[in-house]
Amino acid sequence: DVKVTQSSRYLVKRTGEKVFLECVQDMDHENMFWYRQDPGLGLRLIYFSYDVKMKEKGDIPEGYSVSREKKERFSLILESASTNQTSMYLCASSLGQSTYEQYFGPGTRLTVT
Amino acid sequence: AQTVTQSQPEMSVQEAETVTLSCTYDTSENNYYLFWYKQPPSRQMILVIRQEAYKQQNATENRFSVNFQKAAKSFSLKISDSQLGDTAMYFCAFEAGGTSYGKLTFGQGTILTVHP
Repeated sequence: DVKVTQSSRYLVKRTGEKVFLECVQDMDHENMFWYRQDPGLGLRLIYFSYDVKMKEKGDIPEGYSVSREKKERFSLILESASTNQTSMYLCASSLGQSTYEQYFGPGTRLTVT
Repeated sequence: AQTVTQSQPEMSVQEAETVTLSCTYDTSENNYYLFWYKQPPSRQMILVIRQEAYKQQNATENRFSVNFQKAAKSFSLKISDSQLGDTAMYFCAFEAGGTSYGKLTFGQGTILTVHP
């Protein structure tokens, strides 16, 4: 079974802090994704990566950056956390170019105070 | 850019009955894929069903089936013989074909509650 894990289920940070969210997948997937999930807005793509050290902006990249130094690990970085970044963050991975199922992690609920 | 719209924020159904969740999308692409994902309470999101736009036949997976109307850009999910374990948030998602790297555009989600 594909397993996607995220470093924390719940996280509370202060405004202005640098925040790291980690995601690890164990199935050698090429593609990895970071979404945020907000009520009434569904999931919105922040960044994705289709190979090690390769990354592309999604629909809402402002205020975020990412890092993929190893194939299995994809990190989301909030350079200076703000209250409007309070949300559920979901990581996903998939095999190949397209059309393959995305496998999701359990999510990290981040609260910025 | 693609948009996906789920106009039903919440739905409910009695156990063993049938329910249909609606989804519409807008795209100028001719080659694309559509998905329904399920997010149970406090559990990970999983794929329910997938439809390739070039296939006229509607996809089915056991109790789950879709009604894909390409001209109308509609992609509804029918759940037959609803079970308590079907209680979840359901998301409709769109993926453009070609070198999209699997990027998905999601709808707003529909919370489905199955009552005993």
